[in-house]
Amino acid sequence: DGGITQSPKYLFRKEGQNVTLSCEQNLNHDAMYWYRQDPGQGLRLIYYSQIVNDFQKGDIAEGYSVSREKKESFPLTVTSAQKNPTAFYLCASRVRQGADTQYFGPGTRLTVL
Amino acid sequence: AQSVTQLGSHVSVSEGALVLLRCNYSSSVPPYLFWYVQYPNQGLQLLLKYTTGATLVKGINGFEAEFKKSETSFHLTKPSAHMSDAAEYFCAVSVHLQGGATNKLIFGTGTLLAVQP
Repeated sequence: DGGITQSPKYLFRKEGQNVTLSCEQNLNHDAMYWYRQDPGQGLRLIYYSQIVNDFQKGDIAEGYSVSREKKESFPLTVTSAQKNPTAFYLCASRVRQGADTQYFGPGTRLTVL
Repeated sequence: AQSVTQLGSHVSVSEGALVLLRCNYSSSVPPYLFWYVQYPNQGLQLLLKYTTGATLVKGINGFEAEFKKSETSFHLTKPSAHMSDAAEYFCAVSVHLQGGATNKLIFGTGTLLAVQP
């Protein structure tokens, strides 16, 4: 089945630790996105990538980093510089041209202890 | 700048009643509009989208939405609610980013739909 997978589903982190969230897609999509979801705030864009080896900051990139070494993979690192990292993180992808629909993964819930 | 407003963070309906979830948008260019549904601790699933053409858009699970340019609205409706419709619903507008090759979605803050038996 084609789709987007995110792992782990739940992640706990101690303050001061970096942690990496995985996002993999087998849809052959060019563009990939990371969103953060907080209660009552909708989704906010962290980073996006249009093609391999290229990515841009979204609206709330501070304290986060990404890489795009393979078309299928777009991992997100939450660094210790992110002051309030507890949230639900969603990865999405879409074809680069044409239809604008973004398809979402199941999400990772990060909790800082 | 594009933006989305969802009126009503919580909506409660009885099973079998009409579902109406409101979405208004602001866009300086013709918008692409989307409705997504999210069940607890899951990702977002596309319900329907409007790009161009027919302004009444039909989606999955019996939902539909009508694009009204004069009212800058894209309200989501379903004639008869089912218990399985209980979820959070997000309206979104598409913003084309640099070079127009990809897009950013601007989301509303969501509406949590409760369905009473």
